[in-house]
Amino acid sequence: GAVVSQHPSWVICKSGTSVKIECRSLDFQATTMFWYRQFPKQSLMLMATSNEGSKATYEQGVEKDKFLINHASLTLSTLTVTSAHPEDSSFYICSADGTGRSNQPQHFGDGTRLSIL
Amino acid sequence: AQSVAQPEDQVNVAEGNPLTVKCTYSVSGNPYLFWYVQYPNRGLQFLLKYITGDNLVKGSYGFEAEFNKSQTSFHLKKPSALVSDSALYFCAVSHLTGGFKTIFGAGTRLFVKA
Repeated sequence: GAVVSQHPSWVICKSGTSVKIECRSLDFQATTMFWYRQFPKQSLMLMATSNEGSKATYEQGVEKDKFLINHASLTLSTLTVTSAHPEDSSFYICSADGTGRSNQPQHFGDGTRLSIL
Repeated sequence: AQSVAQPEDQVNVAEGNPLTVKCTYSVSGNPYLFWYVQYPNRGLQFLLKYITGDNLVKGSYGFEAEFNKSQTSFHLKKPSALVSDSALYFCAVSHLTGGFKTIFGAGTRLFVKA
């Protein structure tokens, strides 16, 4: 089945550091990937839609200068949390689908737990 | 606007008993409905989906769900629960006119007691 790899799985860093999270589709090409944020005991909040070769589409309320998304190839999207602060601590999850159709399930990475001290 | 409701934060069931995790949805047009499961510190895993056709859909690990259009529901069920089924379950909806976005419910934590 389709596999999405997300790296790193856990990051602890000091306030002010920028952190890059990678999301790779290992056995399929994904023109679109999604980035979610999940708070403890809460659902997934869609942050942005990552489009290969073009700018990401951000959801309302998500700072595009804070959360930089790059989707330079059909198998890789990156999310960079710039100048991270403790309030950015969260569980970040990416997903991808190789079909581009809304009637197909998403394939999720295992998530990245980000802790900012 | 499309939305998904999971009315129960938590469901407790004894091992071997049947389980139901509830989901209702609101969407204009025909919905595409999904159930996902999440284990601690992991991403979501796809369980099953309803697109069209038979209202009862069967998925992974013995789970099934029934699409009920009149009640706008898509409850997840399993005839006999296992302790290993304990996890966080998400119902999700997308539809053609809604673009490619998937909307997730708040999640229901399932505890199966031995």
